[in-house]
Amino acid sequence: DGGITQSPKYLFRKEGQNVTLSCEQNLNHDAMYWYRQDPGQGLRLIYYSQIVNDFQKGDIAEGYSVSREKKESFPLTVTSAQKNPTAFYLCASSTTSGGEQFFGPGTRLTVL
Amino acid sequence: DQQVKQNSPSLSVQEGRISILNCDYTNSMFDYFLWYKKYPAEGPTFLISISSIKDKNEDGRFTVFLNKSAKHLSLHIVPSQPGDSAVYFCAARKNNNDMRFGAGTRLTVKP
Repeated sequence: DGGITQSPKYLFRKEGQNVTLSCEQNLNHDAMYWYRQDPGQGLRLIYYSQIVNDFQKGDIAEGYSVSREKKESFPLTVTSAQKNPTAFYLCASSTTSGGEQFFGPGTRLTVL
Repeated sequence: DQQVKQNSPSLSVQEGRISILNCDYTNSMFDYFLWYKKYPAEGPTFLISISSIKDKNEDGRFTVFLNKSAKHLSLHIVPSQPGDSAVYFCAARKNNNDMRFGAGTRLTVKP
């Protein structure tokens, strides 16, 4: 089945630790995105990548890093520099021509 | 700076009646608008979209209306069903991949 997978579904980390969230897609999409959702707010763009080995900062990139070494994979690292990392993180992908984005099931990160 | 706003955090309607979800935007550069539906602990799924060159797009029970002069769009669901209960996000896109989302409206359809 084609789709986007994110793992794990729930993740707990101690404050001060870096953590990497996985995102894999087999839709053959060129573009991939990371969003963060907080209660009462819309999805806010962290980073996006339109092609392998290239990515751009979104609105709230500080404290996050990404890599795009393969078309299928776009991992997000939440670093200790992120002041308020506890949130629901969503990965998405789309064709480069735009249109709708397809979302993964999300990862809920809790930093203790 | 919230460029896409959904001012109603929640909406409750009776099964069989019409649900109207509203969305306002501030940036006139947006050229494509989408609605997503989201169940708890899942990612949003695409529902329906409309290009800025149109004022209406219909897909089964779902219709999206766009009023460019008012920078307003709405999603109509008729008739509403209990399975439609979810959070609905409005999204607006410019420059192909620059998409902004509203805060969402939680729709509850009562049997």
